[in-house]
Amino acid sequence: QPQLQESGPGLVKPSETLSLTCTVSSGSIINTTYYWGWIRQPPGKAPEWLGTIYYSGSIYHNPSLKSRVSISVDTSKNQFSLKLTSVTAADTAVYYCARQGPPSERFLWFGELLGSFDPWGQGTLVTVSS
Amino acid sequence: SYVLTQPPSVSVAPGQAARITCEGKNIGDKGVHWYQQKPGQAPVLVIHFGGDRPSGIPERFSGFNSGNTATLTISRVEAEDEADYYCHIWDSDSDVQVFGGGTKLAVL
Repeated sequence: QPQLQESGPGLVKPSETLSLTCTVSSGSIINTTYYWGWIRQPPGKAPEWLGTIYYSGSIYHNPSLKSRVSISVDTSKNQFSLKLTSVTAADTAVYYCARQGPPSERFLWFGELLGSFDPWGQGTLVTVSS
Repeated sequence: SYVLTQPPSVSVAPGQAARITCEGKNIGDKGVHWYQQKPGQAPVLVIHFGGDRPSGIPERFSGFNSGNTATLTISRVEAEDEADYYCHIWDSDSDVQVFGGGTKLAVL
C-alpha cells in the first residue's frame, strides 16, 4: 500500500486561498488502476468529497464546490494538490487525501465511475480565521 | 441530491453482533463502502462494494445491501471496534460521491 501525506498551512485567512499538497510514497502516482482524491471533514461531522484526479489529469469534481476547487497532479514529484478559493469559516476542516480505486465490474452497469478510498493520509487540520 | 441516512448511534455488548444501517434510494444497486474512524485518526476502509472485505480486516466485519438499505454487521463485537462508521457511494445520477452522516458504535 502506498502512504499518503498531506502538507500545507494550518491557518488561512477568510477570502484567501487554501492550498494543500499530498505526497505519495511507496508507490507511483502514475498508476493506470487508481485515482487520487481529496476529502474533508469538519469537526464532529461526516466526510465530504471534494474531488478526484487521475494521473493523466482527468478530474471528477463535487459540483457543490466546483467553482472554488482546483485539483492538479505533478507526476514528477509524485504529488497531487488542492486549491480552494475564497475560503470562509465553513471551510474549517480536517483535509484528507486518499487513493481511490476503480469501480467493481458488478456496478459498471449502473454507471459507477469510481470505487472506495483506501488508504487515506493522516489528515491535516485547516482553520479559517483572521 | 442523493442522501444516505445512518442512525446516529448504536450500542452493543461485547461478544454480541452490531448492525449499522445506511439507507438510500435503490442503494441495493450501488457499490457501498464502509469506513471505520477512531478518534483523531483517518478513516479506514472495512468493507467495499457492499460485502467485500479488504485484506487485513477481521472476518467479523461483513456487509450486505439490498433494496433501500445497506447493512454493516460486526459479529462478536470487541472493545476495539468502538468507533464512528460511515457509508459511502457513488451516485451515478449526479456523478457525485456521498457519505452518510455516520454512526457512533458504543461497546457497552
